[in-house]
Amino acid sequence: QSVLTQPPSASVTPGQRVTISCSGSTSNIGTNTVNWYQHFPGTAPKLLMYSNNLRPSGVPDRFSASKSDTSSYLAISGLQSEDEADYYCAAWDDSLNGVVFGGGTKLTVL
Amino acid sequence: EVQVLESGGGLVQPGGSLRLSCAPSGFTFSTYAMTWVRQAPGKGLEWVSSITYGGGRTYYADSVKGRFTISRDNSKNTLFLQMNSLTAEDTALYYCTKAAATTMTPQIWGQGTMVTVSS
Repeated sequence: QSVLTQPPSASVTPGQRVTISCSGSTSNIGTNTVNWYQHFPGTAPKLLMYSNNLRPSGVPDRFSASKSDTSSYLAISGLQSEDEADYYCAAWDDSLNGVVFGGGTKLTVL
Repeated sequence: EVQVLESGGGLVQPGGSLRLSCAPSGFTFSTYAMTWVRQAPGKGLEWVSSITYGGGRTYYADSVKGRFTISRDNSKNTLFLQMNSLTAEDTALYYCTKAAATTMTPQIWGQGTMVTVSS
């Protein structure tokens, strides 16, 4: 059972927009910044968004993220087949004194 | 290019020990916190341990506390994870990660090194 809660899966058609939620608590998302990662199985995870809503260089602006209270949201617009991957959220947890991850959301582009 | 490269994984019997190493490149190792993350087969990402840039503070997941030790040698640009009393539940791909400047959350990930605990 992950500390951060994500939907296990999402399915969308190419060109559509999808939003993936990440629900936490005051000790993690409510207090600290959130990162999002994109993970293609068999490869190294990649930082997709950091500090709640910032994109590292090289990440397309089709990807965006936001935070509200104890939840974070990753939005992907203009979905492409290459976006089919696992997406994870993460944050520092002040109560656990550690990094907490969401369980991951498997995105399928139909 | 900023990179980290793990080594030291392998097959070990239950109750055994293994030491993972991580070699960074492309950044000033001694100024960044580092974090180990693992992924068991078919499972999601799990935080294992973090260490501050100077090594003065360490943090562990409850699942490894008392069995794993994270350390670093800034003079040799190397991060370590000493794993003792290994069980089958520790079987996973272990990732070394460079943490962000202000948090312990991973920023740059290595390719991972596989640890298999089995008799």
